[in-house]
Amino acid sequence: KAGVTQTPRYLIKTRGQQVTLSCSPISGHRSVSWYQQTPGQGLQFLFEYFSETQRNKGNFPGRFSGRQFSNSRSEMNVSTLELGDSALYLCASSVTGFAGANVLTFGAGSRLTVL
Amino acid sequence: AQTVTQSQPEMSVQEAETVTLSCTYDTSESDYYLFWYKQPPSRQMILVIRQEAYKQQNATENRFSVNFQKAAKSFSLKISDSQLGDAAMYFCAYRTRKLTFGTGTRLQVTL
Repeated sequence: KAGVTQTPRYLIKTRGQQVTLSCSPISGHRSVSWYQQTPGQGLQFLFEYFSETQRNKGNFPGRFSGRQFSNSRSEMNVSTLELGDSALYLCASSVTGFAGANVLTFGAGSRLTVL
Repeated sequence: AQTVTQSQPEMSVQEAETVTLSCTYDTSESDYYLFWYKQPPSRQMILVIRQEAYKQQNATENRFSVNFQKAAKSFSLKISDSQLGDAAMYFCAYRTRKLTFGTGTRLQVTL
């Protein structure tokens, strides 16, 4: 069974650009959630999507957005990049999200560097 | 707001010995789940163990066990018979409608 796939694994952007990251969940998983990991702020929840609808959102500015497609694949977009957006972005998938004893399976992450 | 605190930034243990990683959390909810995740240098977050708050019995997964004290809001992880492959960052996490992580404990395993 294939795991959670995140692409690209590494990318470098400059300030002011935008970036799109992709996450393909495990087959049959309908929930995808996103996290930002930085040395200073640690792991922070960005948002969660379930059946193409955003169900939960963390405390990030509107520059951070996401969407989910009918095949459960998800993308997150960061516009007008800032140096502080440099981070490891992790996505996780699960069958139904944060309900009950659902276990989240994480991808290997996308490492974004903003210059 | 829910917070998760891991007071040990780094821990070290000798191979085959036992180590305990601490975690406390703050919540007003009564129904929640607690997790320990391991993040090796490969960066992929791996679930180590989980605990349902309504269960009094402490969870155990092979060499990994937890000491869950609900009243004290404490959730420590015990690793027995430590192995070199246990070296990683360990994150305690709390979940209701979102997953909140602690700041992590870096575990070193020495020969």
